[in-house]
Amino acid sequence: QVQLVQSESELKKPGASVKVSCKASGYTFTNYAINWVRQAPGQGPEWMGWIDTNTGKTTFAQGFTGRFLFSLDTSVSTAYLQISSLKAEDSAVYYCARGGYSYDFHYWGQGTLVTVSS
Amino acid sequence: QSALSQPRSVSGSPGQSVTISCTATHIDFGGYGYDYVSWYQHHSGKVPKLMIYDVNKRPSGVPDRFSGSKSGNTASLTISGLQAEDEAVYYCCSFEGRNTFAYVFGGGTKVTVL
Repeated sequence: QVQLVQSESELKKPGASVKVSCKASGYTFTNYAINWVRQAPGQGPEWMGWIDTNTGKTTFAQGFTGRFLFSLDTSVSTAYLQISSLKAEDSAVYYCARGGYSYDFHYWGQGTLVTVSS
Repeated sequence: QSALSQPRSVSGSPGQSVTISCTATHIDFGGYGYDYVSWYQHHSGKVPKLMIYDVNKRPSGVPDRFSGSKSGNTASLTISGLQAEDEAVYYCCSFEGRNTFAYVFGGGTKVTVL
């Protein structure tokens, strides 16, 4: 069965960087793009962007440019989200997600809580 | 700025029906139209669950109490025969298409079962 397993929660200081992983299993990794979604406390989800798992091409939503990086290691079917120069407002749950039927997010990772605090 | 507007909350008694609206504003769908609307159920502390895709299609395993529709730039999710376990926050999401291949989420609607 399709699974997306993310790395554990992170506690970081402002200005630091964080790298969240999303390991896929149960399907051919390069057949589906990986999307990243942020959900801040008490807020709705925000689509951050996606990475083409075939080409590595990335697309970022407005508000997620500059400090955000998506990458891949196709040898281990894993996608990564890296955030640099962390700010308190980056504190959120970050999900990786994959489509299933159409333009949707059928499969989700379990989420990674990133807390930025001094 | 692209936006999907949802009511903050709706409520109903067990067995009743509730409908959640999702209105698109300032979204350029390009050649795709408002045809790729999906709905997600989110229980606190859990992972969002896909309930409807492509406006009105149900994934395998989703009860047929959940249905989706669209009129113009407003999509809707209807829950018929409301059950206690339906109490959750529901988010709509649309594929924006055009050249950006982007998605936008609504702000979410809290469904309360009275």
